[in-house]
Amino acid sequence: AQTVTQSQPEMSVQEAETVTLSCTYDTSENNYYLFWYKQPPSRQMILVIRQEAYKQQNATENRFSVNFQKAAKSFSLKISDSQLGDTAMYFCAFMPDSNNAGNNRKLIWGLGTSLAVNP
Amino acid sequence: EAQVTQNPRYLITVTGKKLTVTCSQNMNHEYMSWYRQDPGLGLRQIYYSMNVEVTDKGDVPEGYKVSRKEKRNFPLILESPSPNQTSLYFCASSSPSRGPGGGYTFGSGTRLTVV
Repeated sequence: AQTVTQSQPEMSVQEAETVTLSCTYDTSENNYYLFWYKQPPSRQMILVIRQEAYKQQNATENRFSVNFQKAAKSFSLKISDSQLGDTAMYFCAFMPDSNNAGNNRKLIWGLGTSLAVNP
Repeated sequence: EAQVTQNPRYLITVTGKKLTVTCSQNMNHEYMSWYRQDPGLGLRQIYYSMNVEVTDKGDVPEGYKVSRKEKRNFPLILESPSPNQTSLYFCASSSPSRGPGGGYTFGSGTRLTVV
């Protein structure tokens, strides 16, 4: 079974500092896609960053970057210069490419990490 | 503004009273899907639709129905709600033109409580 594990249920960081959220996944697929989504208290699910497994280069979006280690099946999210607005639940999600062949773009989700940014 | 609109945002209902949660997207996306989010269980897919009149079950379809008569709308129907369907529900859409890893656009969620 394909699974996503986020081993840190809760984390906190001081404003302006850097924090790294961990995510590991289990799959026998060779090609797939990985995502980090943010869910603030408003409940909206917001895409933060995505990574294609066939790309070795780590994705970056402004203050957000990932460390993708395919062999280790690890996909951590680094948030630099943390801001109060970064306070949210963060979900790691996985989409096997075979899903796309079968037309179901199902995302497989971790249970989330609750991040608090402290002033 | 490109968005997925879900209604209502909050709903409290009684066991057995049929209800519909609406979902509409204005991005001309072919693919739409429903998820439910529960503490300790994460998000699980209920149903999905590849296009008009094409729907299929996800991982937890029991007790739910969907329809896709128009490309923009994908309502979730609970014919006879039960307390175990109390959850936070999300509708999402995506387009193949964004690539298979293009990610979803999510609605704002519907908090459903069945008493």
